Amino acid sequence: DGGITQSPKYLFRKEGQNVTLSCEQNLNHDAMYWYRQDPGQGLRLIYYSQIVNDFQKGDIAEGYSVSREKKESFPLTVTSAQKNPTAFYLCASSMDGLYGYTFGSGTRLTVV
Amino acid sequence: KQEVTQIPAALSVPEGENLVLNCSFTDSAIYNLQWFRQDPGKGLTSLLLIQSSQREQTSGRLNASLDKSSGRSTLYIAASQPGDSATYLCAVRKSGGGADGLTFGKGTHLIIQP
Repeated sequence: DGGITQSPKYLFRKEGQNVTLSCEQNLNHDAMYWYRQDPGQGLRLIYYSQIVNDFQKGDIAEGYSVSREKKESFPLTVTSAQKNPTAFYLCASSMDGLYGYTFGSGTRLTVV
Repeated sequence: KQEVTQIPAALSVPEGENLVLNCSFTDSAIYNLQWFRQDPGKGLTSLLLIQSSQREQTSGRLNASLDKSSGRSTLYIAASQPGDSATYLCAVRKSGGGADGLTFGKGTHLIIQP
């Protein structure tokens, strides 16, 4: 079945560490997105990519980095510069606006 | 900047009732509007997608309407069931093409009492 796979489901980060969240899709979608979800807040856009080797900052890109070397993959690195990384991270993809967005099952990141 | 508001923030009703969830947005220049369902600790499941040229979409017991000129959408759930308990999120995509993501509301947390 086509879909988006995020891994790991749970991730723990020590202070000062960089961690990478995986997002893979087999939907042949061109665009991919990373959102952050915090309790009591809506989803906020971190980064997005329309095509391979191109990506754009969203509303809260500081402390995060991404790459898009393959159409299927859009990993997100949470760097030590992100001061409050504990959150639920959601990856999404879309063919174009006509078909809407498909989301993965999320990764919960906790700082320990 | 687009802002999306969902009212009410939380709702608890007995099983079997029909109910309406509301979503409003400040910029009517949207490409489409999408309703999602989110269960605790899970990702988002798409329920209905309404293009800007459409007035409503239906899927089973769900019906979503869109009034772009007034910046409003409603999600109607008929004959509610305990399994409908979840958080419902509304999201809009701005017009003009591009792929710069959706703007989300904070959601309505729905509880259906058995």
